[in-house]
Amino acid sequence: DVKVTQSSRYLVKRTGEKVFLECVQDMDHENMFWYRQDPGLGLRLIYFSYDVKMKEKGDIPEGYSVSREKKERFSLILESASTNQTSMYLCASTVQGATFSYEQYFGPGTRLTVT
Amino acid sequence: AQSVTQPDIHITVSEGASLELRCNYSYGATPYLFWYVQSPGQGLQLLLKYFSGDTLVQGIKGFEAEFKRSQSSFNLRKPSVHWSDAAEYFCAVVPILTGGGNKLTFGTGTQLKVEL
Repeated sequence: DVKVTQSSRYLVKRTGEKVFLECVQDMDHENMFWYRQDPGLGLRLIYFSYDVKMKEKGDIPEGYSVSREKKERFSLILESASTNQTSMYLCASTVQGATFSYEQYFGPGTRLTVT
Repeated sequence: AQSVTQPDIHITVSEGASLELRCNYSYGATPYLFWYVQSPGQGLQLLLKYFSGDTLVQGIKGFEAEFKRSQSSFNLRKPSVHWSDAAEYFCAVVPILTGGGNKLTFGTGTQLKVEL
């Protein structure tokens, strides 16, 4: 089975802190994604990566950056956390190909609270 | 604007009753269509998908969905709901656009509650 793990299930940070969310997948998938999930808004794509050191902006990249130094690991970075970034963050991965046409495998999510 | 809509925010059904969750999309061409489920405390799991061909698609956990081009809909159904089906359900689409940028777009979700 594909396994996507996220470094923390719950995280509490202060406004202005730099925050790192880590995601690791064990199926040698080329593509990895970061979403945020908010009630009434569904999932929105922040960034995705289709290869090591490659990244593409999603629909809501403002206030976020990403890093992919190894194929299995994709990090989401909040350079200066703000309260409006309090949310559930979901990481996903999928095989190479027509990037969004294949099943995405999701991690359990990190619930981030910024106070 | 192009979008995917799940008109029901919450649905409550009795265990053993049938279920239908609605999903509508507004894109010029038929997109790729997906249903995902998120159980409490879990990530999302793919239930089924439609790319082309037979408009009735079978998925995991006894779910099926029917694509209706005339109604721009892809509704999810289950003939007999189990208490373990209580979860949030997301419809998602990948529009088929020329020029790329075809991302997976999620609906806002439908929260299913099952009464025993």
